[in-house]
Amino acid sequence: DTGVSQDPRHKITKRGQNVTFRCDPISEHNRLYWYRQTLGQGPEFLTYFQNEAQLEKSRLLSDRFSAERPKGSFSTLEIQRTEQGDSAMYLCASSLLGGRQETQYFGPGTRLLVL
Amino acid sequence: DAKTTQPPSMDCAEGRAANLPCNHSTISGNEYVYWYRQIHSQGPQYIIHGLKNNETNEMASLIITEDRKSSTLILPHATLRDTAVYYCIVRSEILKTSYDKVIFGPGTSLSVIP
Repeated sequence: DTGVSQDPRHKITKRGQNVTFRCDPISEHNRLYWYRQTLGQGPEFLTYFQNEAQLEKSRLLSDRFSAERPKGSFSTLEIQRTEQGDSAMYLCASSLLGGRQETQYFGPGTRLLVL
Repeated sequence: DAKTTQPPSMDCAEGRAANLPCNHSTISGNEYVYWYRQIHSQGPQYIIHGLKNNETNEMASLIITEDRKSSTLILPHATLRDTAVYYCIVRSEILKTSYDKVIFGPGTSLSVIP
């Protein structure tokens, strides 16, 4: 499968714990996006990378959230001191800058439940 | 904010064509219309996109009105597996070959009924 992959697919944690999610984009894609989706809502943009540079962050991305893409390939999203309000689906998407209108392709998501 | 308006829900009989409307009355000349769908508990799936001409691929057809203020996604023979939330999105070109992030609205929940 050459699509976007995310790991883990599900995560249950206790309030106050740190969690880290991983996203592997489509291999030649140089842009990588993180979105968050709560129940009944459409996905909301969090941040994106072009190669290893983080180019934009949403105001939704509080200080407890950090994302990295150190080598311009896979990316990690870490949430420190999780809160119950962080419970959501975290989605990753990738695209090719200069590709056909830079279409974004999404991964299956990581579903986080904070108890 | 999303630049599109869609009905919150629709039903379609299995085997019939599903026609999903979308209004984007403030669309500008360099903005593309995109459609994604999201089956329950999965990530959004790209379906199709277009600028002003009608487009067709193996999944669906996209019909854009001449004034570009609305569009219709057509699933020609809906199956139960097409039950999903369908998102109509307008994406802006920021720089040549660079496009803005995807901004999702609430979408249309399509139920295909046996």
